[in-house]
Amino acid sequence: QKEVEQDPGPLSVPEGAIVSLNCTYSNSAFQYFMWYRQYSRKGPELLMYTYSSGNKEDGRFTAQVDKSSKYISLFIRDSQPSDSATYLCAMSAKGAGRRALTFGSGTRLQVQP
Amino acid sequence: NAGVTQTPKFRILKIGQSMTLQCTQDMNHNYMYWYRQDPGMGLKLIYYSVGAGITDKGEVPNGYNVSRSTTEDFPLRLELAAPSQTSVYFCASRSRDGSLADTQYFGPGTRLTVL
Repeated sequence: QKEVEQDPGPLSVPEGAIVSLNCTYSNSAFQYFMWYRQYSRKGPELLMYTYSSGNKEDGRFTAQVDKSSKYISLFIRDSQPSDSATYLCAMSAKGAGRRALTFGSGTRLQVQP
Repeated sequence: NAGVTQTPKFRILKIGQSMTLQCTQDMNHNYMYWYRQDPGMGLKLIYYSVGAGITDKGEVPNGYNVSRSTTEDFPLRLELAAPSQTSVYFCASRSRDGSLADTQYFGPGTRLTVL
């Protein structure tokens, strides 16, 4: 079993839709949770960062962490064609475990105009 | 700031050849990383470094070597290239401290094919 599971998609939605992206994980030591966005043939870039459980909102993006269920989500409101990319969840533990991230395999999102 | 730069962008190697992938960052970050990304497989950590002179293995280190003689540079060496090393390689760096200590900044990647 992988430490972090993520549905690879592709997920195709019409412009303006609400998008929900999810990851599950098995390591209860994970404390720091991130979402990276990766456009085709580019390096990943940080989109959202959350520490421990709870919600965080930034513009059209909301990140949720439910540590009791070992489940994290990214919601995109009013999706745009420019949101078409691969979204990677990533997480790390405290202490020495904080040095490296464990990534999900990524979900490819296509927003149709 | 240029951020994290990687060279070359593309490379084709023959089986058994060697090469070095270059990575440089100008953000004075302590931590640097090398990942490989295979289609549909996410990012797998090859090696990382917490500072000049200190390196450690990640999840998939076999067939690779690294060195960290300066804060800025973290080259990845492939010895005796094999088809299984065909992948996209990303270098990343992050600060050790501060509120964004977990943010990794990625380079544009090197696309390597071994034939």
